[in-house]
Amino acid sequence: NAGVTQTPKFRILKIGQSMTLQCTQDMNHNYMYWYRQDPGMGLKLIYYSVGAGITDKGEVPNGYNVSRSTTEDFPLRLELAAPSQTSVYFCASTPTGEGEQYFGPGTRLTVT
Amino acid sequence: GENVEQHPSTLSVQEGDSAVIKCTYSDSASNYFPWYKQELGKRPQLIIDIRSNVGEKKDQRIAVTLNKTAKHFSLHITETQPEDSAVYFCVLGIQGAQKLVFGQGTRLTINP
Repeated sequence: NAGVTQTPKFRILKIGQSMTLQCTQDMNHNYMYWYRQDPGMGLKLIYYSVGAGITDKGEVPNGYNVSRSTTEDFPLRLELAAPSQTSVYFCASTPTGEGEQYFGPGTRLTVT
Repeated sequence: GENVEQHPSTLSVQEGDSAVIKCTYSDSASNYFPWYKQELGKRPQLIIDIRSNVGEKKDQRIAVTLNKTAKHFSLHITETQPEDSAVYFCVLGIQGAQKLVFGQGTRLTINP
């Protein structure tokens, strides 16, 4: 199993550009999450999904959108990128919504 | 919203000594309290967790204690080793542990 994979690893965006961060897991987990981690801080939940076709907002959803058309994939869309979205983005999954969350390697995004 | 406060933000100990990190929280409905370790440039990984029906849990050199009445929980690392150097996050499980709220982290440095 590859676990949770994320692409790209790094990306530099100009203000106002858009992009999609990809997240895929091959563990057949129902629950998937997107977090952002600003320098020296803990992780903050952006969006999460309890299964295909179901998504819900987390603590910091503004400026982001998600979709969950399959169990495996949970892409995060940034529209109109802003410098405040410069961060490291982690995707995670868990089978039942309780217990350990398995994190991907992260995507480091810089908006200039 | 739900909040978890973590102290100290940085901690430096001599190799072989013990380290203690403390967290307090506000959501009395929380029943799941994991701790994640994040090495520099890596993804967070679960090291130990505890549920509210248990007051203490130990796994080799790592132990966690929970006082649900006082709403605080702590991580204890004994006989510290250089590989224990990392950022440690206390985490609150909310909504039946479907969502996680991270503390701001403690940067632990083990001095040889």
